[in-house]
Amino acid sequence: QLQLQESGPGLAKPSETLSLTCTVSGGSISSTNSYWAWVRQPPGKGLEWIGSVYYTGSTYYYPSLQSRVTMSVDTSNNHFSLKLTSVTAADTAVYYCARINRSWFDPFDIWGQGTMVTVSS
Amino acid sequence: EIVLTQSPGTLSLSPGERATLSCRASQSVSRKYLAWYQQKPGQAPRLLIYAVSTRATGIPDRFSGSGSGTDFTLTISRVEPEDFAVYYCQQFGTSHTFGGGTKVEIK
Repeated sequence: QLQLQESGPGLAKPSETLSLTCTVSGGSISSTNSYWAWVRQPPGKGLEWIGSVYYTGSTYYYPSLQSRVTMSVDTSNNHFSLKLTSVTAADTAVYYCARINRSWFDPFDIWGQGTMVTVSS
Repeated sequence: EIVLTQSPGTLSLSPGERATLSCRASQSVSRKYLAWYQQKPGQAPRLLIYAVSTRATGIPDRFSGSGSGTDFTLTISRVEPEDFAVYYCQQFGTSHTFGGGTKVEIK
């Protein structure tokens, strides 16, 4: 049973870089049928896709965040990561990692439990 | 960017009633690129339906989806106590965007 688990600091300072990791268990991050995504949800608000990454390192980012986002994959440790630069209070959210089955353009069928990140000085 | 507008914002129902949730897209979405999720408080979203009408693994048949073009609907034939939650539609044909959600609450 594939499972995802987010980890990283729960607090980031304004203008700094937010860094999160999603560890994949019960399966390989290098599966050719799996793509990996980050989605966030500000408190009391809806869902926002941040971007997606494939095990080869190919990425696909949300255009509005593209200039601040970097995603990468570590196949040896079976995890993928998110870096979001120049954060502000507007980046405060629960951050979820998720699996996309089959292609870039498929739904998110498996989700991590989410991790809350607060941006505050 | 394709904008998805969900209505109503909140739906107040009693268990056993029928729920009809709407998702309207700002431009046409191919059927295979439309999905629905359920989210309960403090939990991650769960995939309910994809390709407009295909139920994900383990989803009971009281959940059904329909629609085409710019108008899509999620129907819960008889709402069970565990169905009170927020529901989101998503399109992933052009980037990935989510609707603002519909909360189904107990009347």
